[in-house]
Amino acid sequence: AQSVTQLGSHVSVSEGALVLLRCNYSSSVPPYLFWYVQYPNQGLQLLLKYTSAATLVKGINGFEAEFKKSETSFHLTKPSAHMSDAAEYFCAVSPNAGGTSYGKLTFGQGTILTVHP
Amino acid sequence: DGGITQSPKYLFRKEGQNVTLSCEQNLNHDAMYWYRQDPGQGLRLIYYSQIVNDFQKGDIAEGYSVSREKKESFPLTVTSAQKNPTAFYLCASGGLGLTNYGYTFGSGTRLTVV
Repeated sequence: AQSVTQLGSHVSVSEGALVLLRCNYSSSVPPYLFWYVQYPNQGLQLLLKYTSAATLVKGINGFEAEFKKSETSFHLTKPSAHMSDAAEYFCAVSPNAGGTSYGKLTFGQGTILTVHP
Repeated sequence: DGGITQSPKYLFRKEGQNVTLSCEQNLNHDAMYWYRQDPGQGLRLIYYSQIVNDFQKGDIAEGYSVSREKKESFPLTVTSAQKNPTAFYLCASGGLGLTNYGYTFGSGTRLTVV
């Protein structure tokens, strides 16, 4: 079984400030972890993924996330927020079954990021 | 370019009607998924299919039906048995051994009951 908890349904930051979106996971097997971004009335776009290689993962648009097994966390950060970062962000987990399974993604509840000028 | 196409973008349904949402992919992905999105509830899995002519229920399958007659297509029918169908519906696809790359999503269909 696997699950994802995103702490904070809404996060508000000022432009230029640090962005921190929290994600904790539960998985009975080694996980794959993902962050997706969704703009209004659009589908989800992959920001970055952790697939058991480097624990610090860099993604698009200046975002990065660090996999911390001891804390079962995969928090998303960006050093300096931009107005265009305003969107909803989803953390997701999938079992790491190598090349033998399609797996299924389980999503968190989402965090809406607001960026103030 | 490869991708997933969902249609229509907006759909209105009268009480008691069945409606079908289209999802087509040209990524040669074996697996396809339907999610429902409601504000504050994240994405909930309705149905998924990992091979043609086979599909499984997800967490909220009641009131929905699917078919997978072709690898490229995975239409979702919202039946009159679905009590609260107003939502944003997202289709996604992924390949065998490619879950480490995540899914590719369509742009969604917003269904409203009128």
